[in-house]
Amino acid sequence: QVQLVQSGAEVKKPGSSVKVSCKASGGTFSSYSISWVRQAPGQGLEWMGGIIPIFGTTHYAQKFQGRVTFTADESTSTAYMELNSLRFEDRAVYYCARSYGDYYYMDVWGKGTTVTVSS
Amino acid sequence: QSALTQPASVSGSPGQSITISCTGTSSDVGGDNFVSWYQQHPDNAPKLLIYDVNNRPSGISNRFSGSKSGNTASLTISGLQAEDEADYYCYSKRGTFTGVFGGGTKLTVL
Repeated sequence: QVQLVQSGAEVKKPGSSVKVSCKASGGTFSSYSISWVRQAPGQGLEWMGGIIPIFGTTHYAQKFQGRVTFTADESTSTAYMELNSLRFEDRAVYYCARSYGDYYYMDVWGKGTTVTVSS
Repeated sequence: QSALTQPASVSGSPGQSITISCTGTSSDVGGDNFVSWYQQHPDNAPKLLIYDVNNRPSGISNRFSGSKSGNTASLTISGLQAEDEADYYCYSKRGTFTGVFGGGTKLTVL
């Protein structure tokens, strides 16, 4: 059964960038898409966008266009999310999740990576 | 990019049934059958409960069921149990290569 293992918590300064990794353990994600979802403290889930690794195509929610980049390395079954120009309000838990089709639903989730933005 | 509309909270007693609604538009919930539901306990990652409106993944109790009418999808939990107390989120594909979550519903088991 595939698991998604995410990188550890990060503390970043405003204006800097953060890169979160998501490695498929026990399988690959070549046949699937990977969604990225964030959750601010006490708030709901927010779909940021995703990547279809086998094609290398990326899709971004309008809110994050131009500030986030998704990449994937099929050789290591690892996906990455890089968020630039960090703001205090980017403080959140960031999840990766295996998705079916063009983000129809998400069946396997990583445990999340906490990103703190602090001066 | 507005979220799908869910009630902020619902409650029920053990053994009862509750229903959580998720209202969108013809561009998302009403546009096709790609509505899914997630359960999230505090400090845990979300868990898939229902996909494609009314399908349960392997291992999910048949106490959880989904349906859809027009632009509104619903999640019903029957035979409420204490461990069902959690946050619930709907999600829908919106157009091509885009998705959107509902605002979330906190379920309290009285």
